[in-house]
Amino acid sequence: DGGITQSPKYLFRKEGQNVTLSCEQNLNHDAMYWYRQDPGQGLRLIYYSQIVNDFQKGDIAEGYSVSREKKESFPLTVTSAQKNPTAFYLCASSGGPNTGELFFGEGSRLTVL
Amino acid sequence: KQEVTQIPAALSVPEGENLVLNCSFTDSAIYNLQWFRQDPGKGLTSLLLIQSSQREQTSGRLNASLDKSSGRSTLYIAASQPGDSATYLCALRPKDSNYQLIWGAGTKLIIKP
Repeated sequence: DGGITQSPKYLFRKEGQNVTLSCEQNLNHDAMYWYRQDPGQGLRLIYYSQIVNDFQKGDIAEGYSVSREKKESFPLTVTSAQKNPTAFYLCASSGGPNTGELFFGEGSRLTVL
Repeated sequence: KQEVTQIPAALSVPEGENLVLNCSFTDSAIYNLQWFRQDPGKGLTSLLLIQSSQREQTSGRLNASLDKSSGRSTLYIAASQPGDSATYLCALRPKDSNYQLIWGAGTKLIIKP
């Protein structure tokens, strides 16, 4: 089935550790996105990528890093510089930047202990 | 600056009722508007995408309309069922941005059996 796969679903991290969240899509979409969702708040864009080997910062990129070496993969690293990393992270993709429908993965919940 | 508002924040109705969820926006210069549902602890599921040139889209018991002149989109749910209980979010893609979606805060819908 076509879709977006995020892993792990749940992740626990000690303070000071970097963690990487995986996002893989088999929809042949060019654009991929990472969002953060906190209780009571709307979705906030962390990073997006419109094409392989290119990505741009969103509204809350500080403390995060990404790579886009393959069309189907867009991993997100939450670094120790992120002050408040406990959140629900959502990966999405779309076929085009202007008219494409956005599809989401099931999310990864990160908890910092 | 484009703003998206969803009112009410929460809605509870008896099973079987037809209902309308609202999404208002301040700038009519948009590429498209998309409706999603989110179940607790899950990712977002795309329901309907309306392009700027369209007036409405239908899928099963769902019908979404778009009126750019009044800055409003509605999601109509016919014959509501307990399984429709979820948070419904709308998001639009402004014409002055090729990646950034503007999100509403969502309406939490509860369908009482």
